[in-house]
Amino acid sequence: DAKTTQPTSMDCAEGRAANLPCNHSTISGNEYVYWYRQIHSQGPQYIIHGLKNNETNEMASLIITEDRKSSTLILPHATLRDTAVYYCISGGAGSYQLTFGKGTKLSVIP
Amino acid sequence: DAGITQSPRHKVTETGTPVTLRCHQTENHRYMYWYRQDPGHGLRLIHYSYGVKDTDKGEVSDGYSVSRSKTEDFLLTLESATSSQTSVYFCAISEVSGANTGELFFGEGSRLTVL
Repeated sequence: DAKTTQPTSMDCAEGRAANLPCNHSTISGNEYVYWYRQIHSQGPQYIIHGLKNNETNEMASLIITEDRKSSTLILPHATLRDTAVYYCISGGAGSYQLTFGKGTKLSVIP
Repeated sequence: DAGITQSPRHKVTETGTPVTLRCHQTENHRYMYWYRQDPGHGLRLIHYSYGVKDTDKGEVSDGYSVSRSKTEDFLLTLESATSSQTSVYFCAISEVSGANTGELFFGEGSRLTVL
């Protein structure tokens, strides 16, 4: 079973920020939070990851709560091309058995 | 994009025939993985490799074998394909050194249909 829980689906208006939540209440101190997305039938795409601090890159921002039990992926200005399934995963760096759950299906609405 | 190539991208075969899928990387990453993805199950790990000739089983390894004779190539073999192995197969790579902390980079997938 996945070690994270995410909503099954979400909608977001085009141009608005998409905030995708993830609960990882059993995360260990040395485990990272990784986010991936999968557009249609393509291979999953790495987005961002973090350990304790908030992170930002050209694709998204990752906000991790102080107790590290949950996080939020933020797509600041969602476009139609951001429609995808988003996966939140926790695991140690180099963990061989990262478990992918069902993810959140994000639909960006024109 | 990470240099990962899967071949073949599409294959149709008959039950009982052997099938080999190839994953080739140009990133010199140490770790390589084979996943399968099926409706209702998400991505499930079949086998992984942590170096040349070093491999181990994932959660759904029955019916599959792997080999890694070179850093850049990871082969997945179905010795005798069954209809339950109809799926989309994804190869992934990762590294844990320098700026890399285990994030996975995936290939585009190989769609296998076993009739």
